[in-house]
Amino acid sequence: AQSVAQPEDQVNVAEGNPLTVKCTYSVSGNPYLFWYVQYPNRGLQFLLKYITGDNLVKGSYGFEAEFNKSQTSFHLKKPSALVSDSALYFCAVRDERILGAGSYQLTFGKGTKLSVIP
Amino acid sequence: DGGITQSPKYLFRKEGQNVTLSCEQNLNHDAMYWYRQDPGQGLRLIYYSQIVNDFQKGDIAEGYSVSREKKESFPLTVTSAQKNPTAFYLCASTRLDLGMNTEAFFGQGTRLTVV
Repeated sequence: AQSVAQPEDQVNVAEGNPLTVKCTYSVSGNPYLFWYVQYPNRGLQFLLKYITGDNLVKGSYGFEAEFNKSQTSFHLKKPSALVSDSALYFCAVRDERILGAGSYQLTFGKGTKLSVIP
Repeated sequence: DGGITQSPKYLFRKEGQNVTLSCEQNLNHDAMYWYRQDPGQGLRLIYYSQIVNDFQKGDIAEGYSVSREKKESFPLTVTSAQKNPTAFYLCASTRLDLGMNTEAFFGQGTRLTVV
């Protein structure tokens, strides 16, 4: 079964400092990995996804993510945090080994609340 | 503009009532999903559908029902059998023809409260 872990419920960072939001995954085959952001009482917005062969993926709003196969991780990063980055961040995974009707479903982590302090 | 529309944004339900949450998409996506979000628990899959007139249970389907009579629409009914329905409900959709690295798109959610 596929699973995702976001080990930190909350991450606090000062504005202008680099930020990292951690994600580790477990799948049977090759993973398809995604990051989403959620603002209060809103739906999820897609930030970026892992593309096979590119260990550093760039996405929206200056975010990037580093894929590490040996550590089964896909950490979200940004070189310089903004107060407006404060939100809830979700990592999600699909497993290529899941066949049939359930193959496209995403499994989400529990989310990490990012607070950027002015 | 293409997207996913969920309605209503806020919904209040009395004990013992069934309520239906609407989800409509004009993205021409084949697959649609319903997730439930509770604080600290992330998103949990309720039901999903990859084709009209067919749907499958997710991880927490008990007390919920769905239909998929049209490609564009995937309503969720929260029945009186759902003992703790207060939550934020999210509808999503995705294409199935671009490979497994295609992202899902989400609606803006419906907050259901039992009163």
